[in-house]
Amino acid sequence: KQEVTQIPAALSVPEGENLVLNCSFTDSAIYNLQWFRQDPGKGLTSLLLIQSSQREQTSGRLNASLDKSSGRSTLYIAASQPGDSATYLCAVSVWNGNKLVFGAGTILRVKS
Amino acid sequence: DTGVSQDPRHKITKRGQNVTFRCDPISEHNRLYWYRQTLGQGPEFLTYFQNEAQLEKSRLLSDRFSAERPKGSFSTLEIQRTEQGDSAMYLCASSLSGGNNEQFFGPGTRLTVL
Repeated sequence: KQEVTQIPAALSVPEGENLVLNCSFTDSAIYNLQWFRQDPGKGLTSLLLIQSSQREQTSGRLNASLDKSSGRSTLYIAASQPGDSATYLCAVSVWNGNKLVFGAGTILRVKS
Repeated sequence: DTGVSQDPRHKITKRGQNVTFRCDPISEHNRLYWYRQTLGQGPEFLTYFQNEAQLEKSRLLSDRFSAERPKGSFSTLEIQRTEQGDSAMYLCASSLSGGNNEQFFGPGTRLTVL
């Protein structure tokens, strides 16, 4: 059974700091990996998707990497801003039907 | 197209009542997923459809839950005889099979069972 773990559970940083969020998964047979952002009481916004054959993806100040063999992904956020404050969720897609298995998330607070 | 929509956004009901939620996916997407999220946790998979066929159901989906996607477009999720433990955010997502199958989520329906 696929399990996804995110570390840390919560993170508080001053504005402008670069930061790394970690995600690990137990079964390396994944189809892809997605990082999402969730604001309180809201739905999920897709940030980045990395296919199983890829090593990283970049979008603006965000960079996500994937090491499938070791079951790890990281989300790097450069020059953090207060507007980045949210919960960040990592999810892996299984091959059959591509349902997503989520971690519990990292709650990020960026202080101005 | 403005993305995945869900209705209602909030639902408060009394224990024992039936509730129904609706999800409208992105129009060209043939896959539709339902997830449930409780406070402080990541979403958990409930069920998914490819076109009108329901292809997988989680063990979380007890016999009080039923989902349909009759014409391969919108979907409904019904919960019968609601219990306080059903209180959660119910999220719908859609995707296009093949390719990278990126899932796009709606805003969710927040259910509170009193």
